[in-house]
Amino acid sequence: AQTVTQSQPEMSVQEAETVTLSCTYDTSESDYYLFWYKQPPSRQMILVIRQEAYKQQNATENRFSVNFQKAAKSFSLKISDSQLGDAAMYFCAYRSAVNNAGNMLTFGGGTRLMVKP
Amino acid sequence: NAGVMQNPRHLVRRRGQEARLRCSPMKGHSHVYWYRQLPEEGLKFMVYLQKENIIDESGMPKERFSAEFPKEGPSILRIQQVVRGDSAAYFCASSPMGHPNQPQHFGDGTRLSIL
Repeated sequence: AQTVTQSQPEMSVQEAETVTLSCTYDTSESDYYLFWYKQPPSRQMILVIRQEAYKQQNATENRFSVNFQKAAKSFSLKISDSQLGDAAMYFCAYRSAVNNAGNMLTFGGGTRLMVKP
Repeated sequence: NAGVMQNPRHLVRRRGQEARLRCSPMKGHSHVYWYRQLPEEGLKFMVYLQKENIIDESGMPKERFSAEFPKEGPSILRIQQVVRGDSAAYFCASSPMGHPNQPQHFGDGTRLSIL
């Protein structure tokens, strides 16, 4: 079974600064998808960014980018120019690329990001 | 195009009562997933359904919990004889097909509180 670990329960960043959230995972599969979700106080689950394991290029979405290290099974999220609206819980998630292999997302325990004005 | 709709947003039940949580997927989506989030934890997969079929229920507790996704109408997560430990946020997600490369779109969740 796959597991996802987020070792930082809480992180803090100054507005306009850059912060990196860590995520590691364990799997025996070679093809899979990785995601970062944001959960603000409203408790919505918002997809921030996703990465296909077969792609070597790191995904980027505006101020959000990832550092995907497949051999190390590491998938960190970098938030540049942090804004007050970035304050939220961030969850890393894994999904197998094998069709019909459950299709569920496996989530880490989350990192609470605080942004200081 | 409306997103995934879950209702109610908040549900309060007394111990021993039944809780019914509803999820209407996005238009055109025929695959539904239910997840549970305990306080201060990540989401945990419960069940994956297609119309009229349960595809994977490996995350469902063996007793008191059931789910359905009928041909017409929303998907229902049903919890019988609720206990305090059932207090959690329950999220539904949908996708157009079950292929792994399609993202799951989440609803806003139902927060279940057991008195």
